[in-house]
Amino acid sequence: GAVVSQHPSRVICKSGTSVKIECRSLDFQATTMFWYRQFPKKSLMLMATSNEGSKATYEQGVEKDKFLINHASLTLSTLTVTSAHPEDSSFYICSARGAGLAAETQYFGPGTRLLVL
Amino acid sequence: AQTVTQSQPEMSVQEAETVTLSCTYDTSESNYYLFWYKQPPSRQMILVIRQEAYKQQNATENRFSVNFQKAAKSFSLKISDSQLGDTAMYFCAFMKPFNAGNNRKLIWGLGTSLAVNP
Repeated sequence: GAVVSQHPSRVICKSGTSVKIECRSLDFQATTMFWYRQFPKKSLMLMATSNEGSKATYEQGVEKDKFLINHASLTLSTLTVTSAHPEDSSFYICSARGAGLAAETQYFGPGTRLLVL
Repeated sequence: AQTVTQSQPEMSVQEAETVTLSCTYDTSESNYYLFWYKQPPSRQMILVIRQEAYKQQNATENRFSVNFQKAAKSFSLKISDSQLGDTAMYFCAFMKPFNAGNNRKLIWGLGTSLAVNP
C-alpha cells in the first residue's frame, strides 16, 4: 500500500514554456501533499505544502507565481513550473500523507527530472 | 527550530557486514517522530523505518534497526548483513506529532552515502 505516482518521469522543455508535473496517491487519500526539489547528491529542499482544497503554503524563497501548485482532490496535486528557465532544471519529488494513523508518514513519488534548454 | 545532523557524509561496508549510520537532532518537543529514508540510485525515496518518540522500544524492520536514545537526542540506524542493494543515500528526518497541525513537515539531515562493497 501507500503508493504515490508522478508523471512525467522526465521532461525536456524550451526556456520560457510551462511544464506541469502530476502527483497522485494511488491507494490512499492524501490530505496533505508536499513538493520538493533535489540537487544531485543533496538533501531534499521543501518547496511547498498543499492541503486538499486549500492554497499551498510556500517555503521562504520559493516564488509562488513561478511554481503553481494545485491540490484539487484527495488523490491529485500538480506543480506547474511557469516560464521555465535553465536554472529551474532539477529533480522534483512529491510526497503525500494521509489522515489518521497514515498521517504520520510521508510516501514519496519516484520524482521528475526537468531539463530546461 | 528543529535540526537534524548526520555527521557521516560517506560510509562503506563489506557485503554481509554490519554498519551503523549516525543521526542526532535538536528539539524542545517531547513527542515527535523520527524516520530513516533510503534513496537508491533510482532516486525513489523509500521509508526504511519509523520511530515514535513516546515508545521506548527501538523500532526494527528485518535487517534494519535503530538505537533511539531520547535523552541524548540520538537516532542511529543499524544495517545487519549488508547487501549490495543497500547501496544508497540514507536520510534521517524529524517530524512533529499529529497535534502540531496539517502543515507539519519533515526536517531532513544532509544524508549519508552508503556503499556496500562485494
